[in-house]
Amino acid sequence: EAGVTQFPSHSVIEKGQTVTLRCDPISGHDNLYWYRRVMGKEIKFLLHFVKESKQDESGMPNNRFLAERTGGTYSTLKVQPAELEDSGVYFCASSRGAGFSGYTFGSGTRLTVV
Amino acid sequence: GDSVTQMEGPVTLSEEAFLTINCTYTATGYPSLFWYVQYPGEGLQLLLKATKADDKGSNKGFEATYRKETTSFHLEKGSVQVSDSAVYFCALSGGSQGNLIFGKGTKLSVKP
Repeated sequence: EAGVTQFPSHSVIEKGQTVTLRCDPISGHDNLYWYRRVMGKEIKFLLHFVKESKQDESGMPNNRFLAERTGGTYSTLKVQPAELEDSGVYFCASSRGAGFSGYTFGSGTRLTVV
Repeated sequence: GDSVTQMEGPVTLSEEAFLTINCTYTATGYPSLFWYVQYPGEGLQLLLKATKADDKGSNKGFEATYRKETTSFHLEKGSVQVSDSAVYFCALSGGSQGNLIFGKGTKLSVKP
């Protein structure tokens, strides 16, 4: 089966611009997660979708971040306007059930805000 | 809240050396424990897991045992290879939906 696909793999934008990251989960995986690793720090949970519904968005840092999952398929994460501290690697992951047994991650999108 | 602490890197070893990467955790309840690995230029891959106390996870020569009494899940490999060079992350599943809580990661470099 195809894995979790994320694009772009890299994005460099200026402060104040908008960026949209996309994640295509494994087909049939209802659970989709977004995580972020800021340079030198832990990978941190951002939010969790079950199908098209946001199950938990407690990790979203502020209202400049907007995540959607239209039709319960792919998901987008928009940052508007981007700030310098948003730089990092954004990972998406998916699982068939709730992720207590682990889930499959994508390769990540490296976002650099200059 | 729940947390994971793993040894700071980087760790540099010679090929065939023994590897230990320490990981301890703080959690309410009984989380599942994981080791993920990120090879250069790639995404996170699940290396091994353990879902209850005294379980041993193993994969590709790596092992880790879920020790409830010491709240630890140390990663070990008896003989590392250059191809094991990567960043290793210890994690636990927290919350009601299995969200992962990660350690900071340990970068391993293996020299020939």
